[in-house]
Amino acid sequence: ETGVTQTPRHLVMGMTNKKSLKCEQHLGHNAMYWYKQSAKKPLELMFVYNFKEQTENNSVPSRFSPECPNSSHLFLHLHTLQPEDSALYLCASSQEGAGGPYEQFFGPGTRLTVL
Amino acid sequence: QQPVQSPQAVILREGEDAVINCSSSKALYSVHWYRQKHGEAPIFLMILLKGGEQKGHDKISASFNEKKQQSSLYLTASQLSYSGTYFCGTSARQLTFGSGTQLTVLP
Repeated sequence: ETGVTQTPRHLVMGMTNKKSLKCEQHLGHNAMYWYKQSAKKPLELMFVYNFKEQTENNSVPSRFSPECPNSSHLFLHLHTLQPEDSALYLCASSQEGAGGPYEQFFGPGTRLTVL
Repeated sequence: QQPVQSPQAVILREGEDAVINCSSSKALYSVHWYRQKHGEAPIFLMILLKGGEQKGHDKISASFNEKKQQSSLYLTASQLSYSGTYFCGTSARQLTFGSGTQLTVLP
């Protein structure tokens, strides 16, 4: 595998379910990101991890819970979601340093539908 | 606060030129440009890090006017493969993306 991979690619869940999204980057980067992309809206940054430490949480509801066990893997745990949470969830990675942010490499995304 | 992109959508014939603008109400440290085709991940095009900087890649280039807090993306002699949604991202500490410009190139 190369680049940034995400699984699953599609997910349908009920409001009472618990599920997790997985992201893996094979680029040796030190920063990883979760974005939400809804129809007709800009990419919304949700979480940033730099060297496995969470450095940003853009007022994301607690029903979204990120986890970064190492610099190559990033998870987004989902529970008791709402229909308005249906969107494309994109993971990205970059090599950050002084003077950043730098080029971000995106995964293909997980299309989430909440019923 | 997210940058403002204009136009929201543009339709071209193959070989025509287009300009996409990105402006911010905040001072810009850098401007990033990405393109996303339908059903695919956004792909990085270029970063402009300094005021007045211009960059180019093939027939796609961009300028950054730090004083005016804006950037423009220039697509010259557009090709069918240029179709997609173009996003600018501006940074203070993290990237904030504009709402995108949908570009359609027709044969």
